[in-house]
Amino acid sequence: NAGVTQTPKFQVLKTGQSMTLQCAQDMNHEYMSWYRQDPGMGLRLIHYSVGAGITDQGEVPNGYNVSRSTTEDFPLRLLSAAPSQTSVYFCASSYSTAAGGRYEQYFGPGTRLTVT
Amino acid sequence: AQKITQTQPGMFVQEKEAVTLDCTYDTSDPSYGLFWYKQPSSGEMIFLIYQGSYDQQNATEGRYSLNFQKARKSANLVISASQLGDSAMYFCAMREGQVTFGTGTKLQVIP
Repeated sequence: NAGVTQTPKFQVLKTGQSMTLQCAQDMNHEYMSWYRQDPGMGLRLIHYSVGAGITDQGEVPNGYNVSRSTTEDFPLRLLSAAPSQTSVYFCASSYSTAAGGRYEQYFGPGTRLTVT
Repeated sequence: AQKITQTQPGMFVQEKEAVTLDCTYDTSDPSYGLFWYKQPSSGEMIFLIYQGSYDQQNATEGRYSLNFQKARKSANLVISASQLGDSAMYFCAMREGQVTFGTGTKLQVIP
């Protein structure tokens, strides 16, 4: 199993450009999520999905879109990049979020994005 | 309102000593899960320990234990016999459907 993979590892964008961060998992996990990590802010939830075709907003969704057409893939789209979106982005997945189960999240290696 | 609060931005501990990292949470859902993750300087996120809201006993995983006080809504991580390799950021997280994280505590183990 490759686990959770993210591409690219590094990216530099100019303000106003758009791009898609890719995330894939091969563990047949229902739940997938995107976080951004900024110094002193911890990990903040951008969007999440509880299954194919179902997505919802997290704490900081503005400027980002997601879709979940398959169980395996959960891409994050930056519509018009801004310097405030400079951050490290993590994708994570877990088998479920059902009550009573451990279902820890598995994280990808992260994408370091710089917007100039 | 912050759902997960970690009030210690940084902590120091002497090697081989025990250390407690604080975490309080806020939820009205009776069913939730609490997690701790470690993030070394290399950047990956490593799952350490889990506590379910209905679990009667405190969780333990090797040198890690979770001091779960439900009435106080606290879920502190205790690391026993600290090692140099424990130096890292530590994040508390809560699952109530979605999973949200605290701001983390940077632990530094001193030789």
